[in-house]
Amino acid sequence: EVQLQESGPGLVKPSQSLSLTCSVTGYSITSNYWGWIRKFPGNKMEWIGHISYSGSTSYNPSLKSRISITRDTSKNQFFLQLNSVTTEDTATYYCARATEGIAFDYWGQGVMVTVS
Amino acid sequence: DIQMTQSPSLLSASVGDRVTINCKASQNINKYLNWYQQKLGEAPKLLIYNTNNLQTGIPSRFSGSGSGTDYTLTISSLQPEDFGTYFCFQHNSWPYTFGAGTKLELK
Repeated sequence: EVQLQESGPGLVKPSQSLSLTCSVTGYSITSNYWGWIRKFPGNKMEWIGHISYSGSTSYNPSLKSRISITRDTSKNQFFLQLNSVTTEDTATYYCARATEGIAFDYWGQGVMVTVS
Repeated sequence: DIQMTQSPSLLSASVGDRVTINCKASQNINKYLNWYQQKLGEAPKLLIYNTNNLQTGIPSRFSGSGSGTDYTLTISSLQPEDFGTYFCFQHNSWPYTFGAGTKLELK
């Protein structure tokens, strides 16, 4: 079964970079698409972006200038880097697998990140 | 961006009730609409994809319908394990967007 687990610091200072890792077991990240989503306090959710099986990326235009999604296929992990964070980036960050035509079908439990 | 208006935001119901949750898109999303369930501290779970396709392992009391801009999730007979938060998600066009969520609670 596909399992995803997010990890990273729970607290980041304003203006710094937020870096998260998604570790995937039970499925290779060289197939499908692998994305990041966040849920703000108050429950609004936002699609951040994703990386494909080939390594190509797609980003939410609202974040495009600040984000980078990369991967390490040897470790079956993919990563999110969000630069120049502000308090408005405080959220629970989820990683998820996307299947073409179906979108996000498996999610991690999420990691809460506070910018303060 | 496509705006997803989800209603109601809070729904109180009893075990055995039939409930419906709605999502309205600001433009046609061609049935690329998914429904997810989330319980506190858990990963979101895909229930329905592309309007009316039941994800593997999801009970048949869950169903979806709709077209164009209007979509509905129906739970035919609520079970105790169904209480939680539900949200819709459109993947017709980038950036993909979510509904604001419906909290389904025990009456």
